[in-house]
Amino acid sequence: DVKVTQSSRYLVKRTGEKVFLECVQDMDHENMFWYRQDPGLGLRLIYFSYDVKMKEKGDIPEGYSVSREKKERFSLILESASTNQTSMYLCASITDGTRTEAFFGQGTRLTVV
Amino acid sequence: KNQVEQSPQSLIILEGKNCTLQCNYTVSPFSNLRWYKQDTGRGPVSLTIMTFSENTKSNGRYTATLDADTKQSSLHITASQLSDSASYICVVSPTTGNQFYFGTGTSLTVIP
Repeated sequence: DVKVTQSSRYLVKRTGEKVFLECVQDMDHENMFWYRQDPGLGLRLIYFSYDVKMKEKGDIPEGYSVSREKKERFSLILESASTNQTSMYLCASITDGTRTEAFFGQGTRLTVV
Repeated sequence: KNQVEQSPQSLIILEGKNCTLQCNYTVSPFSNLRWYKQDTGRGPVSLTIMTFSENTKSNGRYTATLDADTKQSSLHITASQLSDSASYICVVSPTTGNQFYFGTGTSLTVIP
């Protein structure tokens, strides 16, 4: 079975802290994405990566950075957490080809206080 | 501008009843459309996928339709169960790039 694993289901962090969200996939996919999901706004793309050490900004990259040192691992970094980054964060690993499918992790509910 | 719009925003139905969720999109050039189910506190899981040439696809009690001419899709749920309570998200992929365009979802609640 396809598996995308996010390191934490729930996180509570203080304003100003540096936060690391980890995502690991076991499907050997090249494409990995980070989204945040907020009520009424749906999923919004933060960053994505096509390959190891490659990264591209999505629609809302401000306040975030990413790291892809290995193919299976894609990390999202909040350099200095703020309360407006309280959200559900979803990692996706995506197939190639015409019938592209996004396989999602279980999500990390981050609360910044 | 590439957009995906879903309706209704939320829906409450009685267990055993049928319902239909709508998705309209402007994504072009179109590659495929997927419906995802997202249980509360979980990541989305794919239910169906349809490409340009497919106009209906079933997965158990879920049936998706696609009209590529009018750029509309629907997800029909038959004989609803309590476990169908979830958010249903329509996702459209263009042929170029690796982007996905997400609708904001329909929140379905099935009550006994």
